Amino acid sequence: SYVLTQPPSVSVAPGKTARITCGGNNIGRISVHWCQQKPGQAPVLVMYYDSDRPSGIPERFSGSNSGNTATLTISNVEVGDEADYYCQVWDTTTDQPVFGGGTQLTVL
Amino acid sequence: QVQLQASGPGLVKPSQTLSLTCTVSGGSMNSGSYYWSWIRQPAGKGLEWIGRFHKFGSTNYNPSLKSRVTISLDMSRNQFFVNLTSVTAADTAVYYCARENTGNYVDQWGQGTLVTVSS
Repeated sequence: SYVLTQPPSVSVAPGKTARITCGGNNIGRISVHWCQQKPGQAPVLVMYYDSDRPSGIPERFSGSNSGNTATLTISNVEVGDEADYYCQVWDTTTDQPVFGGGTQLTVL
Repeated sequence: QVQLQASGPGLVKPSQTLSLTCTVSGGSMNSGSYYWSWIRQPAGKGLEWIGRFHKFGSTNYNPSLKSRVTISLDMSRNQFFVNLTSVTAADTAVYYCARENTGNYVDQWGQGTLVTVSS
């Protein structure tokens, strides 16, 4: 099955830019989606089709996908952005969605 | 905006069947073209997709759970369900119900419910 690799943690200072990566074999050829999960809460979709933002998600959130890496970028990071972030793709070989292991974003 | 809420027993004995209900409010399950899904998350771990059901009858299940899982819908009650048989401690998790877009991503998550498998 398709494997997605995320760094376990990313740390960033308030006001700086956070980049959360999601690695996969030729991931640039498929659509990547991202969700945010704050402690004790259900996940929330923050990016779909690589770089589309759902309504209500700040413009500070952006996405890109090329080669073997997809990236969720959060500009001007706020304390409220602290959360776990998961990337997700559809695995056509097993007909199921696959999630990355998640990245914990810490705002120092 | 559609909201989803999972509910069911919080404690299930080993070897028994886990049964959960997801109630959808704020919109009809029969409108649009969506998959209705279950996803779980063991404490401190990542997300594991269980399966999904489309109103026209197509289903997909996680191959690792397929032999034990059944997902069904009752659109007249705006609810959908998951049954997981022969549970073990490894099935202890927060179970989320969710709506999947036909683009194969979850666009709406429900509040999860914790299920503990223990005697």
